[in-house]
Amino acid sequence: ETGVTQTPRHLVMGMTNKKSLKCEQHLGHNAMYWYKQSAKKPLELMFVYNFKEQTENNSVPSRFSPECPNSSHLFLHLHTLQPEDSALYLCASSQGTGSSYEQYFGPGTRLTVT
Amino acid sequence: DAKTTQPNSMESNEEEPVHLPCNHSTISGTDYIHWYRQLPSQGPEYVIHGLTSNVNNRMASLAIAEDRKSSTLILHRATLRDAAVYYCILRVEYTGNQFYFGTGTSLTVIP
Repeated sequence: ETGVTQTPRHLVMGMTNKKSLKCEQHLGHNAMYWYKQSAKKPLELMFVYNFKEQTENNSVPSRFSPECPNSSHLFLHLHTLQPEDSALYLCASSQGTGSSYEQYFGPGTRLTVT
Repeated sequence: DAKTTQPNSMESNEEEPVHLPCNHSTISGTDYIHWYRQLPSQGPEYVIHGLTSNVNNRMASLAIAEDRKSSTLILHRATLRDAAVYYCILRVEYTGNQFYFGTGTSLTVIP
């Protein structure tokens, strides 16, 4: 495996379900990110982790709960979601969090909340 | 937010060079200019980035104006696989880790 992988690629869940999204990076990076991309809207940063520590939470509702057990893995735990949470959820990683570092994105998880 | 302004859409003929413009008049001295592209149903893909000098890599070239208030992404020979939405992003140091993705430029490549 190379780059950034995400599983599952597609997920349909009801509003009362609990599910988790998984992201893994094989690039040896220290920082990982969760983004949300809704239809016709720009990407929105959700969470940032640097060396496993959360450094940014962009006012994300508590029904989204991130977990970063190590620098290579990032999870997004989902519970009691709303239909408006349906979107493409993207994971990214970078060597560092400074402005000179580029980010590498995974293919995303297409989430549909019914 | 560190704002960038890009045309909503552009067209190019296959095998021709493409110049994608971006205005970022509020840029500060430590802000890096990043370009990403996103193909349909895929995550964004890093293209190139720079601070002051022009930059070249295997994918593209980045031309940065002397006053840094604008930049141009140059694809030297457009292929059908280059059809994507191209995002010009200011990486602003003081805001921490955020990328501010705008709506980008949708590039259509005509065979």
